[in-house]
Amino acid sequence: NAGVTQTPKFRVLKTGQSMTLLCAQDMNHEYMYWYRQDPGMGLRLIHYSVGEGTTAKGEVPDGYNVSRLKKQNFLLGLESAAPSQTSVYFCASKAAGTAITGELFFGEGSRLTVL
Amino acid sequence: EDQVTQSPEALRLQEGESSSLNCSYTVSGLRGLFWYRQDPGKGPEFLFTLYSAGEEKEKERLKATLTKKESFLHITAPKPEDSATYLCAVQRFSGSARQLTFGSGTQLTVLP
Repeated sequence: NAGVTQTPKFRVLKTGQSMTLLCAQDMNHEYMYWYRQDPGMGLRLIHYSVGEGTTAKGEVPDGYNVSRLKKQNFLLGLESAAPSQTSVYFCASKAAGTAITGELFFGEGSRLTVL
Repeated sequence: EDQVTQSPEALRLQEGESSSLNCSYTVSGLRGLFWYRQDPGKGPEFLFTLYSAGEEKEKERLKATLTKKESFLHITAPKPEDSATYLCAVQRFSGSARQLTFGSGTQLTVLP
């Protein structure tokens, strides 16, 4: 059981380049999330999805776009990368039935550096 | 705006030296408070959910408690394998997808 898989695990971009991070989960979870983690700031929610074909903005959505065309996949896109987007990105998922328990299942992270 | 503050930022303990981590929170309508463990280079891993003041949860050497303003993660006789960053998060009643607000974590190092 793979759980939540993120690709790529590491990426270096130049300012202005674009890229997509892929998150795949095999637990049939309804909810999926993208967070970024920066030193001293904790995990901050970028975008989330409550089901296939739906997305919503989180706390820090500017500069990012997302899509959830298939239930098992949640894509995070950077159209024009900026050094401020250097961070570790985590994808997480949660079953709809556990909405009140808060148990998120996280991937291992994608470390992005923008030069 | 929901706020979660964890202290200390870092804690070094000798093996067997018990201590507590603190999580202070401000949220309008707390639905639940959650503790996660994060190992270096890994994603957070769920530990506990607490719902109401006075509640306690235990798992091996860890015990989490909750009051109306803060939560404590007590570590009894820690071992080196307990070294990790411990994250606290809160969930409010309102809002879709039951979003969590995370603290910045306490980095625990247990020395042999």
